[in-house]
Amino acid sequence: DTAVSQTPKYLVTQMGNDKSIKCEQNLGHDTMYWYKQDSKKFLKIMFSYNNKELIINETVPNRFSPKSPDKAHLNLHINSLELGDSAVYFCASSQGSSYNSPLHFGNGTRLTVT
Amino acid sequence: GNSVTQMEGPVTLSEEAFLTINCTYTATGYPSLFWYVQYPGEGLQLLLKATKADDKGSNKGFEATYRKETTSFHLEKGSVQVSDSAVYFCALSERSNTGKLIFGQGTTLQVKP
Repeated sequence: DTAVSQTPKYLVTQMGNDKSIKCEQNLGHDTMYWYKQDSKKFLKIMFSYNNKELIINETVPNRFSPKSPDKAHLNLHINSLELGDSAVYFCASSQGSSYNSPLHFGNGTRLTVT
Repeated sequence: GNSVTQMEGPVTLSEEAFLTINCTYTATGYPSLFWYVQYPGEGLQLLLKATKADDKGSNKGFEATYRKETTSFHLEKGSVQVSDSAVYFCALSERSNTGKLIFGQGTTLQVKP
């Protein structure tokens, strides 16, 4: 009955590879997000989709491409992985995108680039 | 730009001690304020929120009051338990239709028996 689920939980890969992280929510929410948490636990938003439409695209390299096939899914594809991409990536969702809408987070995907 | 600053951790307390984690913010307008908690190996969970000045958010014995005059949203709990050991994040949401949260750097709390 997991509300926001991400796969895989751990991802270890080499520089230059392309990888994807999948996210699904069963809360019926219409807004989904990707956040990046660095080694010092600092969290920063990367992308946000509302009803499959991109509404936030922070200063993220073009190698990162989100895809939302429907309201319940938001996947993250990363091309040409670099060492600096190593982090924990969190998917989240909310009902609406207003300032009052609390976010529900997945358990994270720990990406290690070697 | 908008930002959130939390007290540096880690914070180490004995069980039943009083907890305060300081949080101050810089924002234009009137943001909503949140505290999230992250237990080891898990995602963030909403702990409490306040949407306007003088509002008090509370949950599971934790409280925080939205102080506009001091731009603060300090987290308090009267008696911590070992199970409260986690990382606590203060966050603000700008008054826009993006849902974007700006987080503080997180404060690690360790409670010893």
